[in-house]
Amino acid sequence: QKEVEQNSGPLSVPEGAIASLNCTYSDRGSQSFFWYRQYSGKSPELIMSIYSNGDKEDGRFTAQLNKASQYVSLLIRDSQPSDSATYLCAVNEGYSSASKIIFGSGTRLSIRP
Amino acid sequence: DAGVTQSPTHLIKTRGQQVTLRCSPKSGHDTVSWYQQALGQGPQFIFQYYEEEERQRGNFPDRFSGHQFPNYSSELNVNALLLGDSALYLCASSGNRDYQDEQYFGPGTRLTVT
Repeated sequence: QKEVEQNSGPLSVPEGAIASLNCTYSDRGSQSFFWYRQYSGKSPELIMSIYSNGDKEDGRFTAQLNKASQYVSLLIRDSQPSDSATYLCAVNEGYSSASKIIFGSGTRLSIRP
Repeated sequence: DAGVTQSPTHLIKTRGQQVTLRCSPKSGHDTVSWYQQALGQGPQFIFQYYEEEERQRGNFPDRFSGHQFPNYSSELNVNALLLGDSALYLCASSGNRDYQDEQYFGPGTRLTVT
C-alpha cells in the first residue's frame, strides 16, 4: 500500500515566524508532488507543485523535495493568521502523467497572534 | 475562466438509496478524478476518467461507478448507500498541457446518509 505520511499536528506557530510542514512518501516511482491548503469546510486548494529535487519558491511559500530521502516539505515565511488551515501533501503514483494522486491525512497549522 | 463546479452542494439520503453527483471540469481540462474525504482525513481516490473511459480506480467497491460525457463533465453514482458513505465528495480536473497532473478541486458535495 503506497502511503503519504504527515504529522497531523496541530502545529502552532507565532505570527511572522516560519512554519515548516513535512511529508514522507513510500513510492520511489513518484514524480510529482503537491501541497494543498484546505480551510475548514472548504475544498483543497493547490498552492505548490514540485517535480525536481531542490527548492521551489512562490511568494511566501517554498517547497523542498528530496527524492533520495523520499521527503517533501513546505515552508511558509512571515506566517499570517490567514495561513491557519490544514495542509495536505499529495504525491502521484507511478510514472504516468494525469495519474492517481495519493494524499496524506494533512497537518493542521495554527498561526497565533 | 470558470473553475471546477459540482452539484449539488449538499445531499441527504437514506441507507439503501442511490445518488448521482455531478462535476464540470475547469475550462481546458479533459480529465476528471473523484475523491471521497471523510472528516479529519485526506481525500481518498475513487477513480479517474479520461476520454470517456475509467482510466484508474482506487480501492472502492463496484457500488461506486462513474461516467464522463463528450464535453468532459462527469457523474459519480453510488448505489445501495451505507452510513459509511457519508463524506465530502470532491471532483478534481486536470489536463493542462504543461502540467498534466496538477489537479484542481471543485467545492465538493457533502453527502449525509441516514
